[in-house]
Amino acid sequence: GIQVEQSPPDLILQEGANSTLRCNFSDSVNNLQWFHQNPWGQLINLFYIPSGTKQNGRLSATTVATERYSLLYISSSQTTDSGVYFCAVDMRFGAGTRLTVKP
Amino acid sequence: AAGVIQSPRHLIKEKRETATLKCYPIPRHDTVYWYQQGPGQDPQFLISFYEKMQSDKGSIPDRFSAQQFSDYHSELNMSSLELGDSALYFCASSLGRWKPQHFGDGTRLSIL
Repeated sequence: GIQVEQSPPDLILQEGANSTLRCNFSDSVNNLQWFHQNPWGQLINLFYIPSGTKQNGRLSATTVATERYSLLYISSSQTTDSGVYFCAVDMRFGAGTRLTVKP
Repeated sequence: AAGVIQSPRHLIKEKRETATLKCYPIPRHDTVYWYQQGPGQDPQFLISFYEKMQSDKGSIPDRFSAQQFSDYHSELNMSSLELGDSALYFCASSLGRWKPQHFGDGTRLSIL
């Protein structure tokens, strides 16, 4: 089955900093989504992005399907951005990036 | 906007008991997915249904079964529960098989 790898596994930022999270996958993709899992366990849908670039406020994402990777950009990070960010390719989740934003 | 509804939110069972988790998808969504997330782990895909037929099968144990009913809601039936079944169980729905999945808030199952 498809393999999904996320990096870095952990990231600590000061409030206001920018960051880039990466998702590599091993096969062609039908569906790629980025999720934020908040401290209450909810999985919040950030982007549905099997290809191309999208932006939503301080967040943006790019998927280059031919090179089998996707990037999630977080700008001007806030403490509320803390949590685990998952990339899911088809029905396979990566191990996630745990982001901690310090005030 | 209506979201995916899961019930119950929390469930406590003992070893060897059975449990049934329910999922009500977003109206008009025809595809339902079940995932299991253990403590500190990523969600693992269990099974999915499209138009009431099983469409994909993941790492669902033989002790578990699921179905999608005529009104598109789905139930995950779990038997002979083990301590290792303690997890957060998510249901997601989508309008079409490879379309964006929308997740419910999950059912937290604890096995004593």
